Amino acid sequence: DVVMTQSPLSLPVSLGRPASISCRSSQSLVYSDGNTYLNWFHQRPGQPPRRLIYKVSNRDSGVPDRFSGSGSGTDFTLEISRVEAEDVGIYYCMQGSHWPVTFGPGTKVDIK
Amino acid sequence: EVLLVESGGGLVQPGGSLRLSCVASGFTVSTNYMNWVRQAPGEGLEWVSTLYTGGATYYADSVKGRFTISRDNSMNTLYLQMDSLRGEDTGIYYCLRGLRGTAHSWGQGTLVAVSS
Repeated sequence: DVVMTQSPLSLPVSLGRPASISCRSSQSLVYSDGNTYLNWFHQRPGQPPRRLIYKVSNRDSGVPDRFSGSGSGTDFTLEISRVEAEDVGIYYCMQGSHWPVTFGPGTKVDIK
Repeated sequence: EVLLVESGGGLVQPGGSLRLSCVASGFTVSTNYMNWVRQAPGEGLEWVSTLYTGGATYYADSVKGRFTISRDNSMNTLYLQMDSLRGEDTGIYYCLRGLRGTAHSWGQGTLVAVSS
């Protein structure tokens, strides 16, 4: 199975400051069709997750442009340009290029 | 509006069975690849199963042989039949539309508790 690792696992940030989360996969996520199926999700307490980014860098509808995704191969990053209070919660990366689909352990973001 | 509504969760004894349902509206289940993802209490996300439009199915090793994903096109509903349930199957089960592409959404989840 493809193992997804995230760092840091806990990220205290100040409002208005940038934040960055790293996600690494144990093997390349480039699929046979040329796409890289790496998603980012955000989950607030008591709510289902919400996808923010798909295929590395594509923002889902309604996702603020302060969120951006980048990376290739095995190394990926989610960046928040200016953290807002509503951004607290847990962020997960997920790969859909290989069976089984696997998620990272999650990064907990809270406000300093 | 796209909506996914799960039901069928509850308390069941180890070894028992449950069938989860996910009623979809705003899109057609049979033309999307559908998934179940679960989350144990206080834990992260775990993919459980996927059903492709053509009928191909995929399962996590932890549920293979015990769970069955299916759909009823006339009811626009996705199912997860869960047999031989274990304590480690406890958690919230989410129904998902798509994972890879543009079309994607989550239900609110249904809670499954396996305990004697």
